Amino acid sequence: DTAVSQTPKYLVTQMGNDKSIKCEQNLGHDTMYWYKQDSKKFLKIMFSYNNKELIINETVPNRFSPKSPDKAHLNLHINSLELGDSAVYFCASRLTAWGETQYFGPGTRLLVL
Amino acid sequence: RKEVEQDPGPFNVPEGATVAFNCTYSNSASQSFFWYRQDCRKEPKLLMSVYSSGNEDGRFTAQLNRASQYISLLIRDSKLSDSATYLCVVNPPGAGSYQLTFGKGTKLSVIP
Repeated sequence: DTAVSQTPKYLVTQMGNDKSIKCEQNLGHDTMYWYKQDSKKFLKIMFSYNNKELIINETVPNRFSPKSPDKAHLNLHINSLELGDSAVYFCASRLTAWGETQYFGPGTRLLVL
Repeated sequence: RKEVEQDPGPFNVPEGATVAFNCTYSNSASQSFFWYRQDCRKEPKLLMSVYSSGNEDGRFTAQLNRASQYISLLIRDSKLSDSATYLCVVNPPGAGSYQLTFGKGTKLSVIP
């Protein structure tokens, strides 16, 4: 009974391709996030949705587009992949936008060649 | 001052040692504080929340000093399994409370 799941776990692709990462949480949380962790291990927030509404949209290239079909799902689509997009992408969820503990998915390791 | 600042380490300590990490935060109105742990190639996981009065969970003790705007984590009797990166996390007030602000982490290696 995985709390926050992501697919795929690994993604290797060529520059210029378009790819999507999916995230689902079964915790009944209202708020979901996407984070990027680069090679220096710094965890940086990208987006957050609360009840399907975008509430955080950090400065990321507009090649990255999140989509929340319902509050249990938050997907990330990346267009025209670049070498610098190689990183680990973590999905996370939280009970409310002001809640406490944040639960992370296992991460998607993206490698752009 | 950076929002959340930690000594990146690495801290290399022998088994059984006591080790302490500190973290400073810039927003004095921050309300919630946490320590997360991240193992190599894994996701961050909550280790413990940090309360104003300080709190303890087994070998782990967390302290908050609001006046000096720092948080500490003390690990006693270190185990090999404690080797990980420890992330200091702060929940800023107001609109910023939608997100947690993560420090860059302190790497701990416990050596046999």
